[in-house]
Amino acid sequence: EIVMTQSPATLSVSPGERATLSCRASQSVSSDLAWYQRKPGQAPRLLMYAASTRATGVPARFSGSGSGTEFTLTISSLQSEDFALYYCQQYNNWIRTFGQGTKVEIK
Amino acid sequence: QVQLQESGPGLVKPSETLSLTCSVSGGSISSYYWSWIRQPPGKGLEWIGYIYNSGTTNSNPSLKSRVTISVDTSKNQFSLKLSSVTAADTAVYYCARDISTVTTVYWFDLWGQGTLVTVSS
Repeated sequence: EIVMTQSPATLSVSPGERATLSCRASQSVSSDLAWYQRKPGQAPRLLMYAASTRATGVPARFSGSGSGTEFTLTISSLQSEDFALYYCQQYNNWIRTFGQGTKVEIK
Repeated sequence: QVQLQESGPGLVKPSETLSLTCSVSGGSISSYYWSWIRQPPGKGLEWIGYIYNSGTTNSNPSLKSRVTISVDTSKNQFSLKLSSVTAADTAVYYCARDISTVTTVYWFDLWGQGTLVTVSS
């Protein structure tokens, strides 16, 4: 099983600032990585797949990068609706695994 | 647009079987894979298993012996049964549309809101 590790666990950011979230895989997953956003009481939302492809309707302020074992999700200018939990998920191995999540909170 | 909604008992006794149903509205359940995913309190998300409308299933080896996933295309629903539950199975359970194909697994593009199932006597 591929272990996904996200850092930091919590990221305190002011509105309008840039947020950088990290995700590391225990072995190479090529570019087979997705990112999700989850808000309280809502269904998780797909943000990114193939490491850097935005899902339908996702604003351009969200960008993804990386390959192999190191990945980054960047939110260029945080809006109020972006304060949420973010998860990465690998699909290089048929047993899909997720990171523990990064909470982006208002500073 | 397509929406998913989980339903089922919120409380299950230890050693019994947890049963959940996911209702898919706004689109057909056919032609997609459908997965169950869970998140125990304070822990990460765990993929449980998937089903295709043909009845093809696969599940996480960590749970495989206890998991049954089925589909009812006439009702546009799919279901999860997890047998012999313990407190460790307490979690928020999500259903999700799985973009996998017969040869390759991928991501989950639509999710339900999740339902909390507590295992306790």
